[in-house]
Amino acid sequence: DQQVKQNSPSLSVQEGRISILNCDYTNSMFDYFLWYKKYPAEGPTFLISISSIKDKNEDGRFTVFLNKSAKHLSLHIVPSQPGDSAVYFCAAIRGGSEKLVFGKGTKLTVNP
Amino acid sequence: DTGVSQDPRHKITKRGQNVTFRCDPISEHNRLYWYRQTLGQGPEFLTYFQNEAQLEKSRLLSDRFSAERPKGSFSTLEIQRTEQGDSAMYLCASSRRGAGNEQFFGPGTRLTVL
Repeated sequence: DQQVKQNSPSLSVQEGRISILNCDYTNSMFDYFLWYKKYPAEGPTFLISISSIKDKNEDGRFTVFLNKSAKHLSLHIVPSQPGDSAVYFCAAIRGGSEKLVFGKGTKLTVNP
Repeated sequence: DTGVSQDPRHKITKRGQNVTFRCDPISEHNRLYWYRQTLGQGPEFLTYFQNEAQLEKSRLLSDRFSAERPKGSFSTLEIQRTEQGDSAMYLCASSRRGAGNEQFFGPGTRLTVL
């Protein structure tokens, strides 16, 4: 039972263009969402998060959008850089729990 | 501010052997987590400590697995009688109470059971 779904295993974009990574969730009890970036042989690195009371959070080149009615969030990276090439994980957590529930990840490749 | 550290980074063992991993969280982080990640999957929650108390355990944590955090600082994860299905990346994370839900991960220990 996959509660957090990242349906695109991979995404390829050109340097300077926008990267859009998508994530869907099924558990309406989730109230906080996070994106992590992972390079090979390293642990996941926290990127950006959003609370369910918001619909947008921005940090530099990274923006996360949340559509609660659709149970959908997306991460926008503008402009994309070759160093952004990594696996991106969407994660969710519900109030009162400490357990992060992760999707399977999307491998982003940014071509120079 | 040093990050989360884990030791060893790699472990190869034979089926049936016991293994122990160590995690040192970010200093002053009172919450510590263990996750497991297998190929093609996202990390899966195993267990969580607040200080020295183990407050949440996943059904994934069979009776062959035990985790401790005796003094509320570093933590160990032991797997007894390892099986080939235990081969995975074991990730440790920590966080600070009142600092939101962000968990900060270490580099992981890759376990291979032959």
